[in-house]
Amino acid sequence: ETGVTQTPRHLVMGMTNKKSLKCEQHLGHNAMYWYKQSAKKPLELMFVYNFKEQTENNSVPSRFSPECPNSSHLFLHLHTLQPEDSALYLCASSQDFEGSTEAFFGQGTRLTVV
Amino acid sequence: DQQVKQNSPSLSVQEGRISILNCDYTNSMFDYFLWYKKYPAEGPTFLISISSIKDKNEDGRFTVFLNKSAKHLSLHIVPSQPGDSAVYFCAASDSWGKLQFGAGTQVVVTP
Repeated sequence: ETGVTQTPRHLVMGMTNKKSLKCEQHLGHNAMYWYKQSAKKPLELMFVYNFKEQTENNSVPSRFSPECPNSSHLFLHLHTLQPEDSALYLCASSQDFEGSTEAFFGQGTRLTVV
Repeated sequence: DQQVKQNSPSLSVQEGRISILNCDYTNSMFDYFLWYKKYPAEGPTFLISISSIKDKNEDGRFTVFLNKSAKHLSLHIVPSQPGDSAVYFCAASDSWGKLQFGAGTQVVVTP
């Protein structure tokens, strides 16, 4: 139990679908992150939220839309995705957005776009 | 531009022997380094870290070494155990807090 929960664990969606990934943490952390892990590639940081405010968008296409309604929840809304968007999407949280704090990861959502 | 590099995609080591994983970085602003371990179908879990003011940090079977002049860090696991078979990610952070990850090294510990 890492304290960071992601749902769903697996998702298959068509290119015209709209779906959302959910992340929840009960660690009292103030920073939350979305990462993308594609096969044989480094983890790619997508978005950063610090105290519910988006502080970083790492040149992510607009078909990915994050939402952070409070410091415990983070969503990633998906629409009109492409097959190359198939990957493992990981949510993480940390105490705050500083260099010397470890990030705790969820188990990820395995997304397949067909 | 990949600022954290793990040049060995895989490593096979015999049980009981030492596993040495290497990581190189290019950004001199990185001041905190972490290793994460990842099993299939799970998110990465934090393993060990080191601040740039140190050159060694030890936690049980795991030791991380940092060579700032060479921009190189390594993770030593000794003795290696079957449960250590996993993907290991090196990560680095600057004062802005953004973690940069390497591509990972798949470790297989054989009996």
